[in-house]
Amino acid sequence: DAGVTQSPTHLIKTRGQQVTLRCSPKSGHDTVSWYQQALGQGPQFIFQYYEEEERQRGNFPDRFSGHQFPNYSSELNVNALLLGDSALYLCASSLGVRAVGQPQHFGDGTRLSIL
Amino acid sequence: AQKVTQAQTEISVVEKEDVTLDCVYETRDTTYYLFWYKQPPSGELVFLIRRNSFDEQNEISGRYSWNFQKSTSSFNFTITASQVVDSAVYFCALSEAGRGSTLGRLYFGRGTQLTVWP
Repeated sequence: DAGVTQSPTHLIKTRGQQVTLRCSPKSGHDTVSWYQQALGQGPQFIFQYYEEEERQRGNFPDRFSGHQFPNYSSELNVNALLLGDSALYLCASSLGVRAVGQPQHFGDGTRLSIL
Repeated sequence: AQKVTQAQTEISVVEKEDVTLDCVYETRDTTYYLFWYKQPPSGELVFLIRRNSFDEQNEISGRYSWNFQKSTSSFNFTITASQVVDSAVYFCALSEAGRGSTLGRLYFGRGTQLTVWP
């Protein structure tokens, strides 16, 4: 039973560049959420995708965008990278956007470093 | 305002000691869920326990137990007879289930770094 997989594991970019992170949800899950975790902080919610649509969004600028594909996998895109975007980006999957209370399953994350 | 507060930044114990991690939450919803997650150095968040707002029964699962008190908005987590492998960052999280657009979103505390020494 495959869990949540994220790629790449590590990424180094420079300011102003653009980046795409990828996530495959746990088998049987259809909802994907993305979180940003700065060093020494708790994860912060970026947005959630269900049925290929963004269902809710946290307090992140439009530079952060995403996509969900018919196979439920998802991408997180960040444009015009800033030094402050350096963080661990976590993908979480769950079953059903309204299945509130179900534990979300997380991947190992992508560690993004901006130089 | 911070919805989940973990006042303990770091805790160090010696193996076999019991340790309690504190969590205080804030929500206006009457239906909500509370979680504890463990984050080892690898980075993955591992789900440990969940409790809904209607069930204040405290439980024990192996070496883990939790104390949920709505009157004080607290959801504390205890590890009994700690082991070196318990060393990790522990996060408390809240999910609100009331009407609105935040269904399924997790609000995390800042985490507590637990170090268990042999």
